[in-house]
Amino acid sequence: DSGVTQTPKHLITATGQRVTLRCSPRSGDLSVYWYQQSLDQGLQFLIQYYNGEERAKGNILERFSAQQFPDLHSELNLSSLELGDSALYFCASSVSLSTEQYFGPGTRLTVT
Amino acid sequence: AQKITQTQPGMFVQEKEAVTLDCTYDTSDQSYGLFWYKQPSSGEMIFLIYQGSYDEQNATEGRYSLNFQKARKSANLVISASQLGDSAMYFCAMRESQGSGYSTLTFGKGTMLLVSP
Repeated sequence: DSGVTQTPKHLITATGQRVTLRCSPRSGDLSVYWYQQSLDQGLQFLIQYYNGEERAKGNILERFSAQQFPDLHSELNLSSLELGDSALYFCASSVSLSTEQYFGPGTRLTVT
Repeated sequence: AQKITQTQPGMFVQEKEAVTLDCTYDTSDQSYGLFWYKQPSSGEMIFLIYQGSYDEQNATEGRYSLNFQKARKSANLVISASQLGDSAMYFCAMRESQGSGYSTLTFGKGTMLLVSP
C-alpha cells in the first residue's frame, strides 16, 4: 500500500458524460500528479500540482481539468467523454518535486 | 526521438535466476533522475528504485539494483534471485528538472517479465 488513495476504483459511464476522479496523497506529500495509462498510448503524464498550484502540464486534453485543494487532495475532471478516454487513471504523490513518486491504485474508467 | 527506450517487450526467466531489464534514455539535462516501477497484473504501480544523475554508485534496494552507465545513457534494472511474484510489467522512467522547479516523469513502454518455476 503506497498510502495514496484514489476513488472510485472503477467507473463506467456513457459518451458525453462528465466524471470526477479523486485522489488523496500520502501524508506529508505536497505534490500530486495525474497520469493516464491506455493500451495504445502507454503511461502518459497529464498534469502536476504542488501545494495547490499547477506546476506542469503534459498531454492533457482541454476537456480535462484538475485542481488541488487546500487539504492537498486533488480531483481530475473529465468531460464530454469519448470512447477513447477509456483508460486507467493514476494519481501519484511525492514529498517534493525531486523525490520519487508513489502511485495510487488507479481508477479504471470505461466509457461506453 | 523517444526519451526512454525499453527494447525488450517480454523477458522470460527461471525462478532463482538473475535477470536484466534494459533501459536507455535521451536527455540533454545534466541533472535528471531515473526510476523503475513494477506493475503487476492487479494494476498498481510500485516504486522499486531510483538513481540520480550525480550519484556515483549504482543504486540498490534489496534484490533490485540499477546498473547505471551514464556515458552510454543506460539504466538497466537487475533483479537477482527471481521469484514468481516478480512476474509483472516493469517500467523505466526519467525525471528531467526544468529549472523553474517543476519536473515530470516520462515512462518507457515497459517490459513484461515472466518468471517460471
